[in-house]
Amino acid sequence: SSELIQVPAVSVALGRSVSITCQGDSLSMYYASWYQQKPGQAPTLVIYNKYNRASGIPGRFSGSGSGNTASLTITGAQAEDEADYYCNSRDSSGSRLVFGGGTKLTVL
Amino acid sequence: EVHLEESGGVEVRPGGSLKLSCAASGFTFEKFTIHWVRQAPGKGLEWVSLIGRDGSQRFYSESVKGRFTVSRDNRKNSVYLQMNSLTTEDTALYYCAKEHSSGWPNLDTWGRGTLVTVFS
Repeated sequence: SSELIQVPAVSVALGRSVSITCQGDSLSMYYASWYQQKPGQAPTLVIYNKYNRASGIPGRFSGSGSGNTASLTITGAQAEDEADYYCNSRDSSGSRLVFGGGTKLTVL
Repeated sequence: EVHLEESGGVEVRPGGSLKLSCAASGFTFEKFTIHWVRQAPGKGLEWVSLIGRDGSQRFYSESVKGRFTVSRDNRKNSVYLQMNSLTTEDTALYYCAKEHSSGWPNLDTWGRGTLVTVFS
């Protein structure tokens, strides 16, 4: 399967922790990356190769994964973290990319 | 500063053709694979195509394969997306994105996108 599945929406109280998950068969073979997209803006790379933070990304963002699941965790969510988050990876063929459907994070 | 800028998006009729451009600056262009990703209004991200460093490696999503052609000119630090047989399903904001030094699927720099509208 070439699909990556994400929960459409998640909410978190200000300062609390939240995890966003991504599931797909290809994740057992390939690493996931995570992107943040705020309204009217292009996506920004947050995590690459499962757990590496991209340049300029705060330490409260972390990535993990096991088997066919990848996770993005925000420890101590801030108001500015409210955004859409997308995972991506290679598909099962290894020659194409696939994105998850995205998770809208609301910080309460 | 690493920068990508897309251009060429316009309104077009179904069945029409269009060529998008992606101009790059601030990095050694010929050393990086470039991707096209699109986002339909109010929808999620959809990967479209990639082109390898010397242009010999090209891959497409199933939804555009046979209709879209990606190319690049390393002398001009540019990538192009020729789009043929357009349908209303191709209406989207088209981004070009540069891969991270660790390789794809990690896309570390994105342009602001160019809007393609296919309407009947």
